[in-house]
Amino acid sequence: DTGVSQDPRHKITKRGQNVTFRCDPISEHNRLYWYRQTLGQGPEFLTYFQNEAQLEKSRLLSDRFSAERPKGSFSTLEIQRTEQGDSAMYLCASSLRGGRGYTFGSGTRLTVV
Amino acid sequence: GNSVTQMEGPVTLSEEAFLTINCTYTATGYPSLFWYVQYPGEGLQLLLKATKADDKGSNKGFEATYRKETTSFHLEKGSVQVSDSAVYFCALPPQGGGSEKLVFGKGTKLTVNP
Repeated sequence: DTGVSQDPRHKITKRGQNVTFRCDPISEHNRLYWYRQTLGQGPEFLTYFQNEAQLEKSRLLSDRFSAERPKGSFSTLEIQRTEQGDSAMYLCASSLRGGRGYTFGSGTRLTVV
Repeated sequence: GNSVTQMEGPVTLSEEAFLTINCTYTATGYPSLFWYVQYPGEGLQLLLKATKADDKGSNKGFEATYRKETTSFHLEKGSVQVSDSAVYFCALPPQGGGSEKLVFGKGTKLTVNP
């Protein structure tokens, strides 16, 4: 069990560029979550997968954001036409089933300049 | 929907001091309650949880009791160490039961000085 892995750890991009982040959950976990955390705030829910199905999306996930989990294993989060307001830490978490808490990755810190 | 309110930080203590970080919640029913900890430069780790009223969660010397009378889940530790310096988040599911997604408080930053 290597925990939840996120790549890259840091990303600096120019406004208007597209970025993609990857999350590898704990292998036996069928549930995967994406959260966004801005400075001085707690994480905010973005979206959730059970296996390959995206079951819930937050209103925070605008049309510029898309997440996939094509084979029910790793997941990607893409942000198109990045804006400065997208600068944040993007956290991935996984779990085996609800009620027991998540395991979080270390996050991808995005800076849009 | 459900929400949590945490005490404002930052909190600065000397080593071996007693720690309390207040968390109060507003919820429908009796959802599970969680404390997460975030060390510098890292993601969040589950510190402890309680799944029903009067439950006490504990881990690494930290404790929190689920109190429905006061709708609180305060985090306590009798003697903090420098290594406890981190940001602490209280969390619960948004409404009803289950915990497929969590609502987090704003976090309380703790600094412990030697």
